[in-house]
Amino acid sequence: KAGVTQTPRYLIKTRGQQVTLSCSPISGHRSVSWYQQTPGQGLQFLFEYFSETQRNKGNFPGRFSGRQFSNSRSEMNVSTLELGDSALYLCASSLGAAGYEQYFGPGTRLTVT
Amino acid sequence: QQQVKQSPQSLIVQKGGISIINCAYENTAFDYFPWYQQFPGKGPALLIAIRPDVSEKKEGRFTISFNKSAKQFSLHIMDSQPGDSATYFCAAGYAGNMLTFGGGTRLMVKP
Repeated sequence: KAGVTQTPRYLIKTRGQQVTLSCSPISGHRSVSWYQQTPGQGLQFLFEYFSETQRNKGNFPGRFSGRQFSNSRSEMNVSTLELGDSALYLCASSLGAAGYEQYFGPGTRLTVT
Repeated sequence: QQQVKQSPQSLIVQKGGISIINCAYENTAFDYFPWYQQFPGKGPALLIAIRPDVSEKKEGRFTISFNKSAKQFSLHIMDSQPGDSATYFCAAGYAGNMLTFGGGTRLMVKP
């Protein structure tokens, strides 16, 4: 089975711009979660989608949003980018709705200049 | 604020030795405790996970010990190898697939 794929792998944006990141979960997995990883804050939960519905949301401003499509693929969007948004954005997929193993993709490295 | 506290931040172990990483949590609602291994430039990879109804789980050289009353759990890596050199994260989850991660432990195994 193919793993979780994320595109693009690397991205450089300017402050104030917006960005969209994409995630394709493992085939058959219906839950997609997004995490932000930075040296200072570590791994922090952004949000989770299951069957196209956002089920949980972390403590991030409204500039961070996401969605999930009927094929379970997910996108996250960050608007009005700030320098502090520079991070590795990780997507994880799970088979079901609660407490299942999460498998991470390689991440998208976002640099905001 | 839900927290998972992980220690030590870094660890150096000789080849063949035992690596031990500890985590403590606060929220008693957590019911799923995974460990992840991350190499530079890669996403975290699931190593092993435990639920609070068991006190220990072993998979190959990796063992999780879980102490529900103390709200602590630990990862033991037996016969540590240079290829185990990576950053290890503990995590805790509940209410779906939302994980709270520890701060990470950078493990170096010396040949």
